[in-house]
Amino acid sequence: ETGVTQTPRHLVMGMTNKKSLKCEQHLGHNAMYWYKQSAKKPLELMFVYNFKEQTENNSVPSRFSPECPNSSHLFLHLHTLQPEDSALYLCASSQEGRLGGYRGYTFGSGTRLTVV
Amino acid sequence: AQKITQTQPGMFVQEKEAVTLDCTYDTSDQSYGLFWYKQPSSGEMIFLIYQGSYDEQNATEGRYSLNFQKARKSANLVISASQLGDSAMYFCAMSLAGGTSYGKLTFGQGTILTVHP
Repeated sequence: ETGVTQTPRHLVMGMTNKKSLKCEQHLGHNAMYWYKQSAKKPLELMFVYNFKEQTENNSVPSRFSPECPNSSHLFLHLHTLQPEDSALYLCASSQEGRLGGYRGYTFGSGTRLTVV
Repeated sequence: AQKITQTQPGMFVQEKEAVTLDCTYDTSDQSYGLFWYKQPSSGEMIFLIYQGSYDEQNATEGRYSLNFQKARKSANLVISASQLGDSAMYFCAMSLAGGTSYGKLTFGQGTILTVHP
């Protein structure tokens, strides 16, 4: 366990479904991130939350909707996804104010999403 | 904008031997951090080692060391005495200290390392 927990680990959903990914950290970090990892592509930053406020939306389509109710929880709400959205979605946390901290960013194990 | 380049899609090494994974970076910022992560097939990104741009000595963490050559903008990872459990994908990443990129990681494409018995 890294201290960042993601659920579910695997998700298969149809293009008309609505689902949510959950990320939880109890490391005392104040910044949380969503990354997308597609096959044969580098990890792509999707969203950044600092102190519960969204500070970055990296040109992500509106079918992905993040929510950060507090500094320990982060959600990614999914609706009307496309097959090309199938990927590993990784959540990470860090302590803002340091250069990613000397231990860097702590990642969860990811949710492997398949859109059918 | 910053960029990380890993030119080795795959590397093979014999167990107990050392291996070097290449990483070059591009940024005009003076203050930045460089990271290496390991991603096994389970998907989790495991932090390995960190090098700050102002650190004069190369970082070491157990069997991992980072060969930091600032003038060449390279940050190669050296794994000594490879073990079968080292087989995984390895990512080089960078974070900047200021501006709008603060606090966000930019990743390279990754290198798949296979350790043979």
